[in-house]
Amino acid sequence: DVKVTQSSRYLVKRTGEKVFLECVQDMDHENMFWYRQDPGLGLRLIYFSYDVKMKEKGDIPEGYSVSREKKERFSLILESASTNQTSMYLCASSSPGGRTLNEQFFGPGTRLTVL
Amino acid sequence: AQSVTQLDSHVSVSEGTPVLLRCNYSSSYSPSLFWYVQHPNKGLQLLLKYTSAATLVKGINGFEAEFKKSETSFHLTKPSAHMSDAAEYFCVVSVGNTGKLIFGQGTTLQVKP
Repeated sequence: DVKVTQSSRYLVKRTGEKVFLECVQDMDHENMFWYRQDPGLGLRLIYFSYDVKMKEKGDIPEGYSVSREKKERFSLILESASTNQTSMYLCASSSPGGRTLNEQFFGPGTRLTVL
Repeated sequence: AQSVTQLDSHVSVSEGTPVLLRCNYSSSYSPSLFWYVQHPNKGLQLLLKYTSAATLVKGINGFEAEFKKSETSFHLTKPSAHMSDAAEYFCVVSVGNTGKLIFGQGTTLQVKP
């Protein structure tokens, strides 16, 4: 089975802190994604990556950056956390082709609270 | 441009009665469509997917969905609700072949005993 793991289930940080959220997948997937999930808004794409060292902005990239130094790992960085970044963050991965075309596999999520 | 609209934010049914969660989509391409389920404090799990094969798609746990191009709909159904079906459900459309997905706002399904 595909496994996507995220470094923390719950995280509490203070305003202005630099925050790192880590995601690792074990299926050799090329594509990786970061979303935030807020009530009534569904999932919104923050950043995604098609390959190592590559990154693309999603729909709401402001206040975030990402890093992909290895194929299996995709990190989301909040340079200076703010209270409006309190949310559930979900990582996903997918393969670009084959019978699982477009299907994404999700990690358990990190619930981040910024005080 | 692609978009997806879930017509109900909250659906409540009694155990043993049918479930209907409604979803309309908009897509410039022949879309791939998905339903994902998220149980409380759990990650998202794929329920079923449509990728231009059969229009009636069967998924896990007795759920199914029918792709209706003329109505641009992909409604999720189950003949008989179980208490364990209580969760949030997301209708999702693919963005061409980019690998990106667009999520609906979600429908919370409540199942009453």
